Formats: sequence, C-alpha cells, structure tokens
Amino acid sequence: DIQMTQSPSSLSASVGDRVTITCRASQSISTWLNWYQQKPGQAPKVLIYAASSLQSGVPLRFSGSGSGTDFTLTITSLQPEDFVSYYCQQSYTTPYTFGQGTKLEIK
Amino acid sequence: QITLRESGPTLVKPTQTLTLTCTFSGFSLSTSGMGVGWIRQPPGKALEWLALIYWNDDKRYSSSLKSRLTITKDTSKNRVVLTMTNMDPVDTATYYCAHRGGAASGNYYFDYWGQGTLVTVSS
Repeated sequence: DIQMTQSPSSLSASVGDRVTITCRASQSISTWLNWYQQKPGQAPKVLIYAASSLQSGVPLRFSGSGSGTDFTLTITSLQPEDFVSYYCQQSYTTPYTFGQGTKLEIK
Repeated sequence: QITLRESGPTLVKPTQTLTLTCTFSGFSLSTSGMGVGWIRQPPGKALEWLALIYWNDDKRYSSSLKSRLTITKDTSKNRVVLTMTNMDPVDTATYYCAHRGGAASGNYYFDYWGQGTLVTVSS
C-alpha cells in the first residue's frame, strides 16, 4: 500500500496568515493527490483534486501543488472557518490511502 | 443532485458482523465510471479508506481489513452494502459512504459524502 505522511499534525496560526501543509507519498503518485477539509461533526469535503485543481465552489485562497511524492496545500489569508482539519489522499491506486491529518488551530 | 445516506446499527457486540447500507440518489451505479466507497473515522482519529465498488462490479478493499470486508451493490435499488465480520471495539468509528467523482476527467476523488453513521462496538 502507498503510505501518505502529512506534516505537521497540528499547526497554530492567526487569522490572515498564510499556511502550508505538506503531504508525502511513499512512492510516486504523479498528480493523483486530493485534499479534503473536515469540520467537526461533518463529513470531509474535497478542496483540491489532481494535486492542483480547485473543486468548484472552493475559495481561491486554497491552492495545491506538487507531483511525484511531495505535495503541498496552501491557504492564504486564513479565515476563521479555516481552523479545522485537513487530509490528503492518494488516488493513484487502491487502496486510496489518506494521510493522518493536520489540525489547524487558532494561535 | 447527488445524495448518499448511511444506515445500520449504532451498536454491535464484539465478534458480531456489521452490515451497513448506503442508499444514494442522483446517479446510477450502472453508469460507466461510477464508484461508491466506504471510509471510516474512529473518534478523534484520521480517515481510513475501507472499500470501493465500481459500476462493473469490480471491488477493491483495504489491505489490512480485506479478510473481514465485503462490498456489494444493488443497482436497481441504488444501494451499496458493506459487511464487516468479527467486529472489535477498535472498529468503533463513524462510517461514511461516498461517491467517487472525477470519472469524466480521470481524476478520482470523493466528491459527495453521506453524513456518516457512528457505530459503537461494545458488549
């Protein structure tokens, strides 16, 4: 199975900050990488698919980059509703494994 | 509009078999490229991919849980069923079903999710 390693596991930031979350795959997955946001008590919501494509309706402050084994999710100008959890997921091959998640907290 | 809803028991005893049903609308699982998956999340922990069934009845499973999982579909009733045998307290989690989107572009991701159902394993 492909292992997905996210870092950091938690991150403190302030409203208006720019933050970056990293996801590393245990083998090359080209750009078959998705990012999800999960608010407490809710199902995850896809933000970015294919490493850098913004899902319809997602604010432009979210962006993704990377290919091969290393990927990043960047959030510019953090808003209060962004302080939740984020997960990466590879869809290169089944099982479509997830990263362990990053919890974004208000500083 | 695509919607999915999970249903099943909220409490199961250790060693029992869990059967969860995902009832969906807004798409047909007989359409080429379609897929429905199951994902779970223990309280306070990360998401874990469990299984996926495709329009052509191809089935894929988590490597660590493969021996315990079975996924099936009933296309006429727009349902996908997941069974997990020999339940243990560590299987306590919220179980989600989700629509695998992106088939048209070849970029696969879960674009629609059910609200999830919490299953507790306890005697």
